[in-house]
Amino acid sequence: NAGVTQTPKFQVLKTGQSMTLQCAQDMNHEYMSWYRQDPGMGLRLIHYSVGAGITDQGEVPNGYNVSRSTTEDFPLRLLSAAPSQTSVYFCASFTLPRVLDYGYTFGSGTRLTVV
Amino acid sequence: AQSVSQHNHHVILSEAASLELGCNYSYGGTVNLFWYVQYPGQHLQLLLKYFSGDPLVKGIKGFEAEFIKSKFSFNLRKPSVQWSDTAEYFCAVNVQEDMRFGAGTRLTVKP
Repeated sequence: NAGVTQTPKFQVLKTGQSMTLQCAQDMNHEYMSWYRQDPGMGLRLIHYSVGAGITDQGEVPNGYNVSRSTTEDFPLRLLSAAPSQTSVYFCASFTLPRVLDYGYTFGSGTRLTVV
Repeated sequence: AQSVSQHNHHVILSEAASLELGCNYSYGGTVNLFWYVQYPGQHLQLLLKYFSGDPLVKGIKGFEAEFIKSKFSFNLRKPSVQWSDTAEYFCAVNVQEDMRFGAGTRLTVKP
């Protein structure tokens, strides 16, 4: 089925560990974004990409890196995990001409706990 | 960048009650407005959207929203809620590739 695939669904990290959250979409969307969702704060934009090779920072980029080597993939890297990064992470994609029809397409989320 | 405020953090209603969730945004230019719903344990799904035309827009499951430009508001309404509407609701403002979300309103509908 077409859509946004996120892996893993759950992850527990120790403080200081690094990891990569994977995001892939098969809809040929040029735009992809990473959000974190925290209680009472909604979704906050971490990084986004407007196409392969182009990324930019969102509201809360510190502690995260991204790259966009292909249109399909947009991995999010935690360089040195901290308890403050405990959150649910959502990847989203859209194509600008169709965002008004379909909005963003979201992945199912990754629940990350940093201990 | 644009910002979004949702003033109700948690709303509790009985079935058949009417619902109105507030959403205000701050941005001086043209925006596209969305409401998303997140059912427990699921990802966000598009409920309805507005980008031009009739300021009263209808979405899925009997939801509607009204865009009032002078008030920078895009409130979500439903005349009669059901237990299955229990979820978290997010208002979002889109300008080009940037989508900003409100903090969300948790709706609990008691049977």
